[in-house]
Amino acid sequence: GQNIDQPTEMTATEGAIVQINCTYQTSGFNGLFWYQQHAGEAPTFLSYNVLDGLEEKGRFSSFLSRSKGYSYLLLKELQMKDSASYLCAVRDRGKAAGNKLTFGGGTRVLVKP
Amino acid sequence: DTAVSQTPKYLVTQMGNDKSIKCEQNLGHDTMYWYKQDSKKFLKIMFSYNNKELIINETVPNRFSPKSPDKAHLNLHINSLELGDSAVYFCASSQVGDSNTGELFFGEGSRLTVL
Repeated sequence: GQNIDQPTEMTATEGAIVQINCTYQTSGFNGLFWYQQHAGEAPTFLSYNVLDGLEEKGRFSSFLSRSKGYSYLLLKELQMKDSASYLCAVRDRGKAAGNKLTFGGGTRVLVKP
Repeated sequence: DTAVSQTPKYLVTQMGNDKSIKCEQNLGHDTMYWYKQDSKKFLKIMFSYNNKELIINETVPNRFSPKSPDKAHLNLHINSLELGDSAVYFCASSQVGDSNTGELFFGEGSRLTVL
């Protein structure tokens, strides 16, 4: 099974940078996803890491260290619209696991003016 | 052009009733899912179907019965509703293969309230 931990809540100022950490313990690993979820809406895909290192996508970057069971999502130049929950999810390895994603509890980010 | 659509968006019903939620995806994906998001916002997988075949059944009570008539549709029927079934149910789809990440595309969710 999977155990995924991320902070419950973070507050940051518009224009600043925020780093959301995610640690996981897994019986098998086949990739890590970050999703954004605004209140009352569906989660939307942000990033995917399967190899160690940094993936950059505009203002958002995601980092993975498989040996440490650790990932972070970096949000730069924060905007008010970035206020949302950010969900870390790990995919199981193996055909029997299908494409099963196990989600952490999410980190609620509040951006203040 | 909604990619993953589910109906209804809101369901309010009494304990003991039976209800269904429907889901359709027009992305041509081969895998569909039901996830449950409770009041604490944990998103937990319930079922996964690949080309109409049940792949994942995550120890969900047998009051919950998924049905996939074809790979573009995955419905969820819930019998004898209980208070603890109150949650937002998300349908999702993905395409798994060597050339893509297999990320999930979620529907807008169906908020179920059991009174």
